[in-house]
Amino acid sequence: DVKVTQSSRYLVKRTGEKVFLECVQDMDHENMFWYRQDPGLGLRLIYFSYDVKMKEKGDIPEGYSVSREKKERFSLILESASTNQTSMYLCASSFSSGSMTDTQYFGPGTRLTVL
Amino acid sequence: RKEVEQDPGPFNVPEGATVAFNCTYSNSASQSFFWYRQDCRKEPKLLMSVYSSGNEDGRFTAQLNRASQYISLLIRDSKLSDSATYLCAVNMNTDKLIFGTGTRLQVFP
Repeated sequence: DVKVTQSSRYLVKRTGEKVFLECVQDMDHENMFWYRQDPGLGLRLIYFSYDVKMKEKGDIPEGYSVSREKKERFSLILESASTNQTSMYLCASSFSSGSMTDTQYFGPGTRLTVL
Repeated sequence: RKEVEQDPGPFNVPEGATVAFNCTYSNSASQSFFWYRQDCRKEPKLLMSVYSSGNEDGRFTAQLNRASQYISLLIRDSKLSDSATYLCAVNMNTDKLIFGTGTRLQVFP
């Protein structure tokens, strides 16, 4: 079974703090993704990575950065947290299968509240 | 027009009913299609992939209509435990998936 884990289920931070969200997958997947999910807006892609040290902007990268130093780990960084970054953050991973997209497997999510 | 669209619902159906959801997509070059199930405050989990020839798994049937650019999910003999939000996901010929905002299903006794 594919396992994607995230470092925290719930997190409360203050405005201006630097926030690290960690994601680890154990299936040797090439691709990893960070989404946020908000009511009425669905899943929105923040950043993704095809390989170690590779990153690509998603649809809403502003205010975020990422790091992929090892294949199994993909970190999302909020440089200076703001209240509009309060959300559910979901990490996902998938195999890279050429032109066809393979299934994405999700971690349990981190519910971040910024006060 | 959104890339992937779903009726948000909620669909309220009695146990034992048959219910169907559609999901429309805008890019005719899309190659891969999926249905995910998401329970309240949990992560999305893959329900089934959608193949050109259709796909059936027990009470669940997924279909693809390329001409009209939509996928469908049919649930027969609904159970209380089927209550969840169902997300469709479509790729755009890359490794990214575009998700719909989900359709909420509530099955009542």
